[in-house]
Amino acid sequence: GAVVSQHPSRVICKSGTSVKIECRSLDFQATTMFWYRQFPKQSLMLMATSNEGSKATYEQGVEKDKFLINHASLTLSTLTVTSAHPEDSSFYICSARDASPSSYEQYFGPGTRLTVT
Amino acid sequence: SQQGEEDPQALSIQEGENATMNCSYKTSINNLQWYRQNSGRGLVHLILIRSNEREKHSGRLRVTLDTSKKSSSLLITASRAADTASYFCATASMIYNQGGKLIFGQGTELSVKP
Repeated sequence: GAVVSQHPSRVICKSGTSVKIECRSLDFQATTMFWYRQFPKQSLMLMATSNEGSKATYEQGVEKDKFLINHASLTLSTLTVTSAHPEDSSFYICSARDASPSSYEQYFGPGTRLTVT
Repeated sequence: SQQGEEDPQALSIQEGENATMNCSYKTSINNLQWYRQNSGRGLVHLILIRSNEREKHSGRLRVTLDTSKKSSSLLITASRAADTASYFCATASMIYNQGGKLIFGQGTELSVKP
């Protein structure tokens, strides 16, 4: 089956530093990847849609200069949280959509838990 | 913004009982999907039902979709302690240029007691 990995799975960083999270589709090509964040006991909130070779589309209220997204290849998208603050601490989950136009299914990564101290 | 509302927010049942979770949404959809999430883990895709389908089965799961009421339900029959998790519905928009992005409901936290 389709597998999506995320790295790192867990990261602790100091306030003011930047953190990069990688999302990879391991056995399929993904023209579109999505980034979500999830606070404890809450649902997933879509942050942005990342298309290979083009700029990401951010959801309303998400600061694009703070959450930098790069989708340089069909198997890799990265999310960089710049100048992280404690309120950015969250569970970040990516998903990848198969490049096949007939496929609606998204495959989710295992998530990255970010703690900003 | 979140589109889906789920109820109940929390459900506690005994092993062997059935669990029913409901999801309502606001706009027209292409399909609706149900996911499961164990605490602190990633999402597991359970089932997808298209807008032109009314009911779908997968093992102990039964999903219904009523597009006129903009609602869906997930039934887990003969529940097991291992079914304990959070369950989310997610809708995919009909709008082509939204590229299949999913909007998640608030989720139902299911606890199955042995």
